[in-house]
Formats: sequence, structure tokens, C-alpha cells
Amino acid sequence: AQSVTQLDSHVSVSEGTPVLLRCNYSSSYSPSLFWYVQHPNKGLQLLLKYTSAATLVKGINGFEAEFKKSETSFHLTKPSAHMSDAAEYFCVVGAGTALIFGKGTTLSVSS
Amino acid sequence: ETGVTQTPRHLVMGMTNKKSLKCEQHLGHNAMYWYKQSAKKPLELMFVYSLEERVENNSVPSRFSPECPNSSHLFLHLHTLQPEDSALYLCASSQDLNTYEQYFGPGTRLTVT
Repeated sequence: AQSVTQLDSHVSVSEGTPVLLRCNYSSSYSPSLFWYVQHPNKGLQLLLKYTSAATLVKGINGFEAEFKKSETSFHLTKPSAHMSDAAEYFCVVGAGTALIFGKGTTLSVSS
Repeated sequence: ETGVTQTPRHLVMGMTNKKSLKCEQHLGHNAMYWYKQSAKKPLELMFVYSLEERVENNSVPSRFSPECPNSSHLFLHLHTLQPEDSALYLCASSQDLNTYEQYFGPGTRLTVT
């Protein structure tokens, strides 16, 4: 069965420093993996997706993620955090007709 | 309007009330979904519709009743809810069931008193 585990429930960074949000996946076949972001009182927005093409995936707002099969990881990174990046981030794996969501990581950005 | 819209954005209802949540997608998609987002829990998929036919019902209590009159509209009818049903209800759509990329609405914040 497919599943994802987000290793940190909360990450705090200073503005201008790098962001790393960690996600490990479990899948019996080549997975489709996604990162979604949810700002307060908003719906979820797709940041980026991996569907067995390039292992380094670039998304919106300067985010990117690297698919590492040997480590079963799909960590989300950004070189320099901005105040507007403060939000909830979800790692997601496709499974059948559904998406399986991780529990989420809250990113806080301080000035 | 573009994307996926949901109304109302906030709803407070008593346990004996009947209310409905509405979702509309303007993307020409063929699949629509209802999710429940509770505090400290992962998103839970409730229902999946493809071309107006329900294809998945994830053991959701019968007090939640979905309706999909056409491929652009999705409703969630609510009756005799419990306080633990208070949550954010999110609607999403995708091109079809084979496309994992889903577009979400802003959600309806439901409080059951």
C-alpha cells in the first residue's frame, strides 16, 4: 500500500535561510508524488509533482524536490525562505483513484 | 469565476439541522472529490465522482449524502450531524480519474453545535 510520512510536524526558519521539509514514501511500484501547500483559510495548491520523469522537480515559488529511490525520500527545498512561504505543506502520493496525504508540516518564517 | 469554488465558506449548524455544501469547478474536469480536513489529522477522502457517477465512498456515515448533478457541480448534503463532524470540507477536481493532479477549492469551515 502507498503511504507518506512527513518527518517534521513543524519547521521554523528565518527569512532568507534555506528551507527543508522532509518526506519519506512507501510504494510497491514507481510512485506519483506531490507537494501541496495550504495557506491559512485557503484551499490546497499544487507546488510540484513527480511522475517518473526527471528526479529533480521544480515547482512554483522557487521550491523544488528531489526523488531519491534509494532513500525512498521526496524532500522539499527552497534556497531562501520568504515570509509568504509560511503555511502548511503536505507530501502526497497517488494511490489508485485517490491521493494519500501526509499529516502536514507547518512552516514558520521569522524576520 | 475560475478554478474551484465552494459555498458557503463558513457554516454553523445544530445537530438537528439540514444543510448543503456546494462545489463548482470551472476547469472542464470530469472527476470531483470531497475531502474532510480535521485538526491534527491527514486529509480524509470521502467521495469520488467521475462523469457524475460515484466511484468511491470511503465508509462515510450516511448523515453525509453527496450529489453530482453534472460534471461541474458537486453537493454534500448534511443532516443530523455530530460535533465531531466539525471540520474543513474541501472539494477538488481533476481532469479524470487517471490524473492525480487535483485542484482544490478554498473549503467550507463547518461547525456543528
